Amino acid sequence: GIQVEQSPPDLILQEGANSTLRCNFSDSVNNLQWFHQNPWGQLINLFYIPSGTKQNGRLSATTVATERYSLLYISSSQTTDSGVYFCAAAYGNNRLAFGKGNQVVVIP
Amino acid sequence: EAGVTQFPSHSVIEKGQTVTLRCDPISGHDNLYWYRRVMGKEIKFLLHFVKESKQDESGMPNNRFLAERTGGTYSTLKVQPAELEDSGVYFCASSPYRHPYGYTFGSGTRLTVV
Repeated sequence: GIQVEQSPPDLILQEGANSTLRCNFSDSVNNLQWFHQNPWGQLINLFYIPSGTKQNGRLSATTVATERYSLLYISSSQTTDSGVYFCAAAYGNNRLAFGKGNQVVVIP
Repeated sequence: EAGVTQFPSHSVIEKGQTVTLRCDPISGHDNLYWYRRVMGKEIKFLLHFVKESKQDESGMPNNRFLAERTGGTYSTLKVQPAELEDSGVYFCASSPYRHPYGYTFGSGTRLTVV
């Protein structure tokens, strides 16, 4: 199956700072998703982004499929942005391969 | 629309007991998936239903796990007998037929086997 690697594994940010999370995947994918795991454990979809760039408020994501990576940008971070961010690659027959996640802590 | 709902949110059982997890997908979603995350590991695929049929169950760890999806609606995942290494968070997700990669995940069931 596809290998998905996320970096950095842990990140501490001062409120208001910007950050970039990276996701590398080992093979061609059908889709690429970014999730945020909220304090209740739910995986909240942030972006479906097999290629190109999308923006949603303070978050944006870029996937360069030919180079097999995706980036998630968090601008003007807030304490509510804290949590684990997962990258997941869809491949084969609708399976998702997840990375280990980026643990983000935003301090006031 | 209502999201993907999972019951229970937490379950603590003794080794050797049986536990049944339930997932109610988004209404009309033909695709239903089970994933799990055991401590310190990645979230891993378990199986995939299309309506009531098992499309892919290659991720099921062993025959102690049994998944069903009656009438193509809700799904259950039974673990019998439970072992310590089954502890983790079990996630369910669903997606529509026309957008199979558009997953919506539930909140998960945290299973602890003691």
